[in-house]
Amino acid sequence: KQEVTQIPAALSVPEGENLVLNCSFTDSAIYNLQWFRQDPGKGLTSLLLIQSSQREQTSGRLNASLDKSSGRSTLYIAASQPGDSATYLCAAHPISNFGNEKLTFGTGTRLTIIP
Amino acid sequence: DAGVIQSPRHEVTEMGQEVTLRCKPISGHDYLFWYRQTMMRGLELLIYFNNNVPIDDSGMPEDRFSAKMPNASFSTLKIQPSEPRDSAVYFCASSLARTAEQFFGPGTRLTVL
Repeated sequence: KQEVTQIPAALSVPEGENLVLNCSFTDSAIYNLQWFRQDPGKGLTSLLLIQSSQREQTSGRLNASLDKSSGRSTLYIAASQPGDSATYLCAAHPISNFGNEKLTFGTGTRLTIIP
Repeated sequence: DAGVIQSPRHEVTEMGQEVTLRCKPISGHDYLFWYRQTMMRGLELLIYFNNNVPIDDSGMPEDRFSAKMPNASFSTLKIQPSEPRDSAVYFCASSLARTAEQFFGPGTRLTVL
């Protein structure tokens, strides 16, 4: 059974700093890995999706990497801004022989950017 | 496209009442997912549909929960009767394919008193 872990649960950094969020998964047999952000009281916003054949994806100040062999993904945020404050969740899409794969979510990292 | 639309955004009801949550997926998306989010258990997949057909409902917690998708642009999640432990945020998401990027709605915050 796929398990997804995000450590730390919370992170505070001063504005302007670059930072890295971590995501670990136990089973490397995945179709893809998706990063989301969730603002308080809001839904999930998809940030990046990395296919299993890819090593990284970039969107603006965000860069996500994937290393299936080590079961890790990282989300790099450059030049952080107060508007980046949110909870970031990663989710792995496992490969199953039964065709009933379910997106497995981590518990998230709550990021606070200090002005 | 307006994205995934859910209604109501907030629902407060009393124990024993029937609750119906509604979702309109992104046009053209063949897959629709219902999730529940709580502090204790995080995000849990309840059920998902492909082309309006329920594929996997193993996440539905009890028979009190039911979901339908009468057409490609509308789905409902019903709880009857509701209980306080059903209090959570319920999300609907849709995607083009089973393993494609999922797009979430804003959620319905349900409180059962």
